[in-house]
Amino acid sequence: DTAVSQTPKYLVTQMGNDKSIKCEQNLGHDTMYWYKQDSKKFLKIMFSYNNKELIINETVPNRFSPKSPDKAHLNLHINSLELGDSAVYFCASTIASGPNEQFFGPGTRLTVL
Amino acid sequence: EDQVTQSPEALRLQEGESSSLNCSYTVSGLRGLFWYRQDPGKGPEFLFTLYSAGEEKEKERLKATLTKKESFLHITAPKPEDSATYLCAVTYGGSQGNLIFGKGTKLSVKP
Repeated sequence: DTAVSQTPKYLVTQMGNDKSIKCEQNLGHDTMYWYKQDSKKFLKIMFSYNNKELIINETVPNRFSPKSPDKAHLNLHINSLELGDSAVYFCASTIASGPNEQFFGPGTRLTVL
Repeated sequence: EDQVTQSPEALRLQEGESSSLNCSYTVSGLRGLFWYRQDPGKGPEFLFTLYSAGEEKEKERLKATLTKKESFLHITAPKPEDSATYLCAVTYGGSQGNLIFGKGTKLSVKP
């Protein structure tokens, strides 16, 4: 009965590779997000997405792209991985964009060697 | 300049020793202030949402309050299982619904 799930839990890869992280929510929510948590545990928004609009944080490199096959899924694709991409990535969802609580997945720890 | 500042960065308490965590914000047009708890290796877990100054919410040993400039998370008679990082986040008119997080307070409660 997991609400927001992510796969894989851990991802270790070489510089220059392309990888994807999957996210699924079974809460019936309309809006999903991707966050990056750096080594200092600081959480920063990367993307927010509902079925009408994608909002991209301007600091996110265009090597990162969200893909949503349907309302319950928001996957994160990363091209040409760099050392600085190493972090924990969290997916989250909320009932609708606005001042509503967001529910987070368990995170994916990405390590780029 | 950080929009959301949490203090202290770390707090060590003895079991039963009550204290407060602070979250101050500089954004205009606050739409909501959120408290989350994060355990090591896990995603943030939602605790409270506060929408307007003067609002208070309670859950077990935790009580969150909000003023026009800051929020406090009061922990009464903490237990070791309250040990975690507590995150504060805001949404405001310019954040397009996104949460803007502070850097968290790491709480350790010793038995």
